[in-house]
Amino acid sequence: NAGVTQTPKFQVLKTGQSMTLQCAQDMNHNSMYWYRQDPGMGLRLIYYSASEGTTDKGEVPNGYNVSRLNKREFSLRLESAAPSQTSVYFCASSVVGAGETQYFGPGTRLLVL
Amino acid sequence: AQKITQTQPGMFVQEKEAVTLDCTYDTSDPSYGLFWYKQPSSGEMIFLIYQGSYDQQNATEGRYSLNFQKARKSANLVISASQLGDSAMYFCAMRGWLQGAQKLVFGQGTRLTINP
Repeated sequence: NAGVTQTPKFQVLKTGQSMTLQCAQDMNHNSMYWYRQDPGMGLRLIYYSASEGTTDKGEVPNGYNVSRLNKREFSLRLESAAPSQTSVYFCASSVVGAGETQYFGPGTRLLVL
Repeated sequence: AQKITQTQPGMFVQEKEAVTLDCTYDTSDPSYGLFWYKQPSSGEMIFLIYQGSYDQQNATEGRYSLNFQKARKSANLVISASQLGDSAMYFCAMRGWLQGAQKLVFGQGTRLTINP
């Protein structure tokens, strides 16, 4: 039982390049999330998926797109990377219901030059 | 809008002492949850403890307890008998509901350093 996994662990991009961050969970959770963490700050929600087939914007969605491929997988795409997107990206999942906890993946460190 | 405030950017504590990390929150939702996460230097986010807004008792998980004072809108984390391995960033977060999914709003964190 791996929990939440993310690939890659680290990536360097040039401005304007595109890439997709992958996330998968094996806990049969309904909801999945993408957050970013900037230095000295807490996490901010980029996009989320309440259930398979649905996605919605969070607090900071500009410059990102997501795909909920199936119940297990939720990917985050940067179409044209900008230096402001340099951050650590975390994927999380949870079961909908009162008191359920979000469990996080190990994170992806992204540097945009 | 929901907001979490952690007013202690950093704390230094002697090993084996108890430590309290402060967290205040603001929300107009009657139903909410409060979480604490630990982020060691390796970077992962580790769930520590949860308190629901309707829970009558303060939550406890081993050495962690949550001092929940609803009237004061505070949810402080207490770590008893601190250990060197407790050195990390600690984040308080509030759960709200956003179109059928949970939304977590995080505070800015407190960096805890345990001295031997």
